[in-house]
Amino acid sequence: QKEVEQNSGPLSVPEGAIASLNCTYSDRGSQSFFWYRQYSGKSPELIMSIYSNGDKEDGRFTAQLNKASQYVSLLIRDSQPSDSATYLCAVRLDTGRRALTFGSGTRLQVQP
Amino acid sequence: GAVVSQHPSWVICKSGTSVKIECRSLDFQATTMFWYRQFPKQSLMLMATSNEGSKATYEQGVEKDKFLINHASLTLSTLTVTSAHPEDSSFYICSAISGTSTDTQYFGPGTRLTVL
Repeated sequence: QKEVEQNSGPLSVPEGAIASLNCTYSDRGSQSFFWYRQYSGKSPELIMSIYSNGDKEDGRFTAQLNKASQYVSLLIRDSQPSDSATYLCAVRLDTGRRALTFGSGTRLQVQP
Repeated sequence: GAVVSQHPSWVICKSGTSVKIECRSLDFQATTMFWYRQFPKQSLMLMATSNEGSKATYEQGVEKDKFLINHASLTLSTLTVTSAHPEDSSFYICSAISGTSTDTQYFGPGTRLTVL
């Protein structure tokens, strides 16, 4: 089992719809969770971080964390073609290391 | 804030030569920097963790004698790919953490290395 798992996609949604991206992680002791967006040929850029169970909203983005289910998700409301990218879920596993473990990413395509 | 730069943004070199990539935190002091490698259509793979003033910690399978990391100051870390070969061609990305109380990593723009 991979430590951080994401569906590779592509996830295709029409413009204006809600895109839902999911991520599961294996280490129950994990405390820090991040979503990054990566455009083709570019480096990742931070979208959101979340540390507590529940929802965290920032503009059109909402991160949801459920530690009991070891599940973190990202909702993108009013999806735009410019949101088309690969979304990486990253987790700081409970290993004492500060490094993040990244999922393989979900490719999102927003159709105009 | 939290801007990380990398230089060069791309480099082409001949097989057998060495290439140095610089990673700088521009507006904060980076206690810890990370080096990643990303092959096409794959996710980021952590190569090593670099703490200022100490030796880097390499991930399993990464040759420390081939990928030399120096974190000489709180704003600069360098990765030197020694005796590069075509299979080292990849996208190398650094990231940095500010301080000790956060896990948020800020990424540099990456360096695309092509070894002929």
